[in-house]
Amino acid sequence: NAGVTQTPKFRVLKTGQSMTLLCAQDMNHEYMYWYRQDPGMGLRLIHYSVGEGTTAKGEVPDGYNVSRLKKQNFLLGLESAAPSQTSVYFCASISGRASLAKNIQYFGAGTRLSVL
Amino acid sequence: GQNIDQPTEMTATEGAIVQINCTYQTSGFNGLFWYQQHAGEAPTFLSYNVLDGLEEKGRFSSFLSRSKGYSYLLLKELQMKDSASYLCASLDNYGQNFVFGPGTRLSVLP
Repeated sequence: NAGVTQTPKFRVLKTGQSMTLLCAQDMNHEYMYWYRQDPGMGLRLIHYSVGEGTTAKGEVPDGYNVSRLKKQNFLLGLESAAPSQTSVYFCASISGRASLAKNIQYFGAGTRLSVL
Repeated sequence: GQNIDQPTEMTATEGAIVQINCTYQTSGFNGLFWYQQHAGEAPTFLSYNVLDGLEEKGRFSSFLSRSKGYSYLLLKELQMKDSASYLCASLDNYGQNFVFGPGTRLSVLP
């Protein structure tokens, strides 16, 4: 049982390049989240999904797009990378179903992205 | 809007007790969470309060006062491995959207 897996773990981009970050979970969780973490600013929500085929904007959605075509996968896309998107990106999921543990977030190991 | 505040850094001695405070102002509320994050790693769940009062889990306890918008995480018998960042997060009224505080970096000294 792998939990939440993020790929890639590291990436360096040039300004204007595009890329997709993949998040996969094998816990049959309903809700999935993408965060970015910058020094001194904690985790900030980019986009989230409450089920297959649904997405919603979080606190800092500009410059990012997401898709949830399959329940287990949540993709984060950068169409034209900018230096301001240099950050550590974390994916997380929660069950969302009625249980004591329904709102506990499980995080992936993170993707460290540098945009030059 | 939602806003969460925590102290940026704290230092404590091995074997001591430390309390990390968190204050929140949210338009809706469905629970307060604490996560631990070691440097270079992912956050991991520590505790969750939805009702007022104290939740105890081994060396870690968490307290919530909804009327005051206040929570704290209490760590007892500190160990060197407790050196980490501690993140406070609230869940909105719809049970969908989490807001995190900036995190408190705790250093445990010998």
